[in-house]
Amino acid sequence: KAGVTQTPRYLIKTRGQQVTLSCSPISGHRSVSWYQQTPGQGLQFLFEYFSETQRNKGNFPGRFSGRQFSNSRSEMNVSTLELGDSALYLCASSLNPPPSNYGYTFGSGTRLTVV
Amino acid sequence: TQLLEQSPQFLSIQEGENLTVYCNSSSVFSSLQWYRQEPGEGPVLLVTVVTGGEVKKLKRLTFQFGDARKDSSLHITAAQPGDTGLYLCAPLTGSARQLTFGSGTQLTVLP
Repeated sequence: KAGVTQTPRYLIKTRGQQVTLSCSPISGHRSVSWYQQTPGQGLQFLFEYFSETQRNKGNFPGRFSGRQFSNSRSEMNVSTLELGDSALYLCASSLNPPPSNYGYTFGSGTRLTVV
Repeated sequence: TQLLEQSPQFLSIQEGENLTVYCNSSSVFSSLQWYRQEPGEGPVLLVTVVTGGEVKKLKRLTFQFGDARKDSSLHITAAQPGDTGLYLCAPLTGSARQLTFGSGTQLTVLP
């Protein structure tokens, strides 16, 4: 079966711009989580969606937002980009939302560079 | 607040050597997952351990969940260059609504 698809794979944006990242989960998976990964902070939780509802949100400013569609595809948006937003953004899908032992399947990520 | 520590942070060894990496916390977990992440890719789930004292083996990888369910270890026998990657632990508590990852152990296996 197809894995988790994230688009685009690479992105370069200028400070102040906004960006939208897309994630298509594994077919049948209704839980989608987003993480930001940087060398200094590791994997930081952004938010989690299940059946189009945001169930949980990490400690990020309001510039970071997301949504999930009826087909479980998810998007995240970052407005007014800052240099510190440069990171690998990872999407993970799961059959069941946490707490679940089912485990996550991650996409390959979107590498965002803000200049 | 759950404090999660993975050690060592970096590990560089020769092919054929054995190694152990650790994941420790001040909290009790209901279960714990280990992931491996290769450069430019997302993490891949290796194993889920659920029972205190549980040992699971995947070929040359042995995972152990501590008796008190506050810690876990990953032992690799006869490491190979293909084992190179970032090893992440992710404990789960019964009330957690997100998966929280440790900072990871960056393993490099030199040929």
